Amino acid sequence: KQEVTQIPAALSVPEGENLVLNCSFTDSAIYNLQWFRQDPGKGLTSLLLIQSSQREQTSGRLNASLDKSSGRSTLYIAASQPGDSATYLCAPEGVDSSYKLIFGSGTRLLVRP
Amino acid sequence: ETGVTQSPTHLIKTRGQQVTLRCSSQSGHNTVSWYQQALGQGPQFIFQYYREEENGRGNFPPRFSGLQFPNYSSELNVNALELDDSALYLCASSLAREADTQYFGPGTRLTVL
Repeated sequence: KQEVTQIPAALSVPEGENLVLNCSFTDSAIYNLQWFRQDPGKGLTSLLLIQSSQREQTSGRLNASLDKSSGRSTLYIAASQPGDSATYLCAPEGVDSSYKLIFGSGTRLLVRP
Repeated sequence: ETGVTQSPTHLIKTRGQQVTLRCSSQSGHNTVSWYQQALGQGPQFIFQYYREEENGRGNFPPRFSGLQFPNYSSELNVNALELDDSALYLCASSLAREADTQYFGPGTRLTVL
């Protein structure tokens, strides 16, 4: 059974800092891993999807890496801004017949002006 | 291109009642997945529909049921509501049933009294 852990659970940083969010998962049999952003009480916004054959993906100030064999992914945010404040969730997609995403509890990020 | 939409936005029910939540998938997407997100936690997979057939189910009791229609919109039905069913219900659509980016709707907030 896939279990996903995200560290830290919460993070508060001043504007402009570079930061790293960590995600670990127990079952390496995955198709891909997605990173999402969620604003309070809202739905999820897809940030990046890394296929299992890839090592990293980049979009603007975001860079996500994947080490499938060790069950780890990191999301790097460069030059953080107050608008980046949100909860960040990682979700690997398993290869079992359900094709479901398994989510961690997320990292709550606050970027202070 | 229209994104994923859900209705209603908010809903209040009493214990024992039944509820139907609706989701319209993004244009061209034939796969819809439903998730339940309790306060402070990551979403949990309920089930997935692919071309009108159930294609995987998470650890939810049979009183959670669903439908997908020929236009790929979907319903989530919950019978005999319990207090613990209070949550944000999210649907996500994708082009393929596996290994593809899932796009989430804004969610329906269900409160059971």
